[in-house]
Amino acid sequence: AQKITQTQPGMFVQEKEAVTLDCTYDTSDPSYGLFWYKQPSSGEMIFLIYQGSYDQQNATEGRYSLNFQKARKSANLVISASQLGDSAMYFCAMRNTGFQKLVFGTGTRLLVSP
Amino acid sequence: EAQVTQNPRYLITVTGKKLTVTCSQNMNHEYMSWYRQDPGLGLRQIYYSMNVEVTDKGDVPEGYKVSRKEKRNFPLILESPSPNQTSLYFCASSPWTGGGSNQPQHFGDGTRLSIL
Repeated sequence: AQKITQTQPGMFVQEKEAVTLDCTYDTSDPSYGLFWYKQPSSGEMIFLIYQGSYDQQNATEGRYSLNFQKARKSANLVISASQLGDSAMYFCAMRNTGFQKLVFGTGTRLLVSP
Repeated sequence: EAQVTQNPRYLITVTGKKLTVTCSQNMNHEYMSWYRQDPGLGLRQIYYSMNVEVTDKGDVPEGYKVSRKEKRNFPLILESPSPNQTSLYFCASSPWTGGGSNQPQHFGDGTRLSIL
């Protein structure tokens, strides 16, 4: 069965610093995709970044990068140069190839302080 | 603008009074899904649909119904709501990629339901 684990319920970071949000996953399927979503206090779900299990390079999207360690089954989100607007809930999710269902972790609440 | 639209955004109602949360997408996506979000549990899938007239249960389908009569619409029906269905609900859609896993799901803005 697929499972996503986010062990950090909350994280604090100062503005302009980098922060890493942890995500580990479990699947027996060799082909899968990993996603990160941001949920600000207004509630909507915003797609941030995607990593495929066969991708050779770590994914990057602007200030977001994904530290993908396949052997360890981890897909940590790195936010560089944090901004106050990064304060939000962050969810890691996985989808196995052939299935459309997203399996979500329980989320990490990030608070960026001035 | 490409979007998934849910209505209502907020609803307070009473136990047993049937309600429908509508979901509509304008991206011609085949796949649509409903999730509920509860504190400490993340998002869990309720029902999904791979195309018109094709629906199936997710992880927490009890107490819910869905239908997919048109490609763009995927309403969630609570025939006899109970307090344990108080939650934040999301509708999402994505293209059906025939097995590819790299298409992100697009989410609606959420519907906050309170059932007293």
